[in-house]
Amino acid sequence: SAVISQKPSRDICQRGTSLTIQCQVDSQVTMMFWYRQQPGQSLTLIATANQGSEATYESGFVIDKFPISRPNLTFSTLTVSNMSPEDSSIYLCSVDLDGNTIYFGEGSWLTVV
Amino acid sequence: KQEVTQIPAALSVPEGENLVLNCSFTDSAIYNLQWFRQDPGKGLTSLLLIQSSQREQTSGRLNASLDKSSGRSTLYIAASQPGDSATYLCAVNSGGYQKVTFGIGTKLQVIP
Repeated sequence: SAVISQKPSRDICQRGTSLTIQCQVDSQVTMMFWYRQQPGQSLTLIATANQGSEATYESGFVIDKFPISRPNLTFSTLTVSNMSPEDSSIYLCSVDLDGNTIYFGEGSWLTVV
Repeated sequence: KQEVTQIPAALSVPEGENLVLNCSFTDSAIYNLQWFRQDPGKGLTSLLLIQSSQREQTSGRLNASLDKSSGRSTLYIAASQPGDSATYLCAVNSGGYQKVTFGIGTKLQVIP
């Protein structure tokens, strides 16, 4: 299994500002994933963060809005830029240790006012 | 495109009851199916993973079954407790990280 720590767990942000979410895993993993869960919705994959290369973004998500860093095999950050109320969501970091089971962090609950 | 539906959307039961949550998917060519629990405002906790070759998995009071041919999975919770109150999501992996589709979940409330 994997232990995934996310910071912050929740935050209230002003419109137009940016916030960086950190994700730390207790073991080395090749790929880390970032998901968004908007209120009342299911999870949507934002991007895949690979160590040593640019993140791969899913349709509808762009690097300028959601820049991602992956400096090593246990850590990643997701920045939500120029936030608007529509960005109010839970942002979740996840890993797939064995190509089989998905593990999630506790999530970062952002409210944009 | 894989679609995952969970029924019911919400369920309220008295403590001690056995209950079944349903997950259906449109494309039976899956790699595995995973059930998660999500507490309000929190992340997801993995409960059970069923490989495409398996019929069921058990963990404590939880039992998950898989019928690929009919595109269905069920999560059975025995002797429900108030601590089981949460939203339960199923995720269908159709082959690779980009092909994991989540249901919206079933919100369970167990009344003491």
